[in-house]
Amino acid sequence: DAGVTQSPTHLIKTRGQQVTLRCSPISGHKSVSWYQQVLGQGPQFIFQYYEKEERGRGNFPDRFSARQFPNYSSELNVNALLLGDSALYLCASSLGTDLGGYTFGSGTRLTVV
Amino acid sequence: KQEVTQIPAALSVPEGENLVLNCSFTDSAIYNLQWFRQDPGKGLTSLLLIQSSQREQTSGRLNASLDKSSGRSTLYIAASQPGDSATYLCAVRPLGAGSYQLTFGKGTKLSVIP
Repeated sequence: DAGVTQSPTHLIKTRGQQVTLRCSPISGHKSVSWYQQVLGQGPQFIFQYYEKEERGRGNFPDRFSARQFPNYSSELNVNALLLGDSALYLCASSLGTDLGGYTFGSGTRLTVV
Repeated sequence: KQEVTQIPAALSVPEGENLVLNCSFTDSAIYNLQWFRQDPGKGLTSLLLIQSSQREQTSGRLNASLDKSSGRSTLYIAASQPGDSATYLCAVRPLGAGSYQLTFGKGTKLSVIP
């Protein structure tokens, strides 16, 4: 079985631009979460989607948005990019049950110049 | 607000040594705790998941313990190898509101010297 797939692996954008990151969860997993990891820090929660509904949102500005599709894949959108948005963006999938663990993808490295 | 602390921030050991990584959390109301490994610039690899009702989990040379009441977990690595060099992160999943999100520590960067 394929693991969690994220695309693209690397991305360079200019301040003010918009970016879309993509994630495909493990087959059978209905929940997708997004995390931002700045260099030297632990990942910070951005969003979780379960069965195509937003389950929760972290402390991020409205420039960040996401959605989940009927096949459970997900997109994270960031508008009006700032230099501080440069980070590794991680996607995690899970069954969605309360006692389950999370499986993470390899991430998308976003650099804003 | 849940806070997770990992000590030490960095650790360097000679090959073959046994070692312990520490993780502490401020709110004991958790569903589970998960240990991850992260290689430079890469994603997270899950190592062990401990449910709140469990005391420990083992996988190969790794053993993780959980003392929920004191807000502490340890990851024990036996007979360390250079390939174990990576950053190790712990994350807790809370009970109740916000149970869908993990709170991570900043990690312990481990270097195993041949």
